[in-house]
Amino acid sequence: TAGITQAPTSQILAAGRSMTLRCTQDMRHNAMYWYRQDLGLGLRLIHYSNTAGTTGKGEVPDGYSVSRANTDDFPLTLASAVPSQTSVYFCASSTDGPDTQYFGPGTRLTVL
Amino acid sequence: GQNIDQPTEMTATEGAIVQINCTYQTSGFNGLFWYQQHAGEAPTFLSYNVLDGLEEKGRFSSFLSRSKGYSYLLLKELQMKDSASYLCAVMDSNYQLIWGAGTKLIIKP
Repeated sequence: TAGITQAPTSQILAAGRSMTLRCTQDMRHNAMYWYRQDLGLGLRLIHYSNTAGTTGKGEVPDGYSVSRANTDDFPLTLASAVPSQTSVYFCASSTDGPDTQYFGPGTRLTVL
Repeated sequence: GQNIDQPTEMTATEGAIVQINCTYQTSGFNGLFWYQQHAGEAPTFLSYNVLDGLEEKGRFSSFLSRSKGYSYLLLKELQMKDSASYLCAVMDSNYQLIWGAGTKLIIKP
């Protein structure tokens, strides 16, 4: 079972460019999440989706957008990247909101 | 504000026991999670506590005291593969996880 996959594994992006980070899960989980992880800080929630067709803002949503057209996919888009968005991005999913979250392998993004 | 505190780094010896503490102040409480994260990898789920007391799972145990806003993760019979970061996270009243910065555990032979 694949679980959660993310693409790309890593990316170097010029400031001002746009990019979409992909996340797909095959566990039929209702809830999905995007986090960023920076050195010395805990994981910070960017956006979440409790079920297909709905999304919500987390702790650090500015500069990011998401969509949830179906159960399996939850892409994260950076419309105009800035160097402060350099980070490791993790996608996660859970059966429902209050349940254990399971993480994808992460995307390491560098914005220059 | 919401806050999760855990030590930045700890060192222990192979075969020994180590206790990683976590204190929290959050708006509401719907459970506390511990995750393990090896360098360059994704966090993986270790344990979940919602009631006071000790939950044991093999070499790993997790304790919770809701009145004290305190938890610990106990690792026994340490192995070199236990070298990793251990993340404490609390689910708040909105069912969002609030994460600590993690404790890097270094195991020495």
